[in-house]
Amino acid sequence: AQSVSQHNHHVILSEAASLELGCNYSYGGTVNLFWYVQYPGQHLQLLLKYFSGDPLVKGIKGFEAEFIKSKFSFNLRKPSVQWSDTAEYFCAVNAWGDSNYQLIWGAGTKLIIKP
Amino acid sequence: EAQVTQNPRYLITVTGKKLTVTCSQNMNHEYMSWYRQDPGLGLRQIYYSMNVEVTDKGDVPEGYKVSRKEKRNFPLILESPSPNQTSLYFCASSWGGPQETQYFGPGTRLLVL
Repeated sequence: AQSVSQHNHHVILSEAASLELGCNYSYGGTVNLFWYVQYPGQHLQLLLKYFSGDPLVKGIKGFEAEFIKSKFSFNLRKPSVQWSDTAEYFCAVNAWGDSNYQLIWGAGTKLIIKP
Repeated sequence: EAQVTQNPRYLITVTGKKLTVTCSQNMNHEYMSWYRQDPGLGLRQIYYSMNVEVTDKGDVPEGYKVSRKEKRNFPLILESPSPNQTSLYFCASSWGGPQETQYFGPGTRLLVL
């Protein structure tokens, strides 16, 4: 079965610090990759996604992620975080040819930004 | 307003008492799915549906049933709830499948005593 690993379950940063959240998946074939975010009291929403092409993808609110196929990774980054980035972040993978109709999710990372 | 709605938002019940959590979307989406979220485990897919009358099991279908009689509705049924089904449940929908942007409902927090 496919799996998605998020390395840190809790991350605490100060405002203006740089952020990198790790995500690794286990499937060796074609993948679609996603980061979703859940702000306090809000619905889960898409942050960014990768299908093909440029491995560096940009999303909303200044977030970006880099797909490194050789490392099976899709890490999320932001150069300077804000207090409003406090949220839970989920990495998800759709593995073509294995579980076409499913999204496999990581356990999530709770990010707390100290003002 | 485009949205996915779930009802109820909170539910406390007892072991064995059948319950249904409703999910409805107003975006004419073909793909709908149910997830449960547990601490440290992330989201795990229970069931999904590619279209009306087309449903399939996700990773944790035991103890759950679904139906898709209309495009907009995708209810989750717990025929005989047990305490290990205490969880936070999310419904989601998208145009064509999991590769499309998923739109999530607000969640239903279920406690089974």
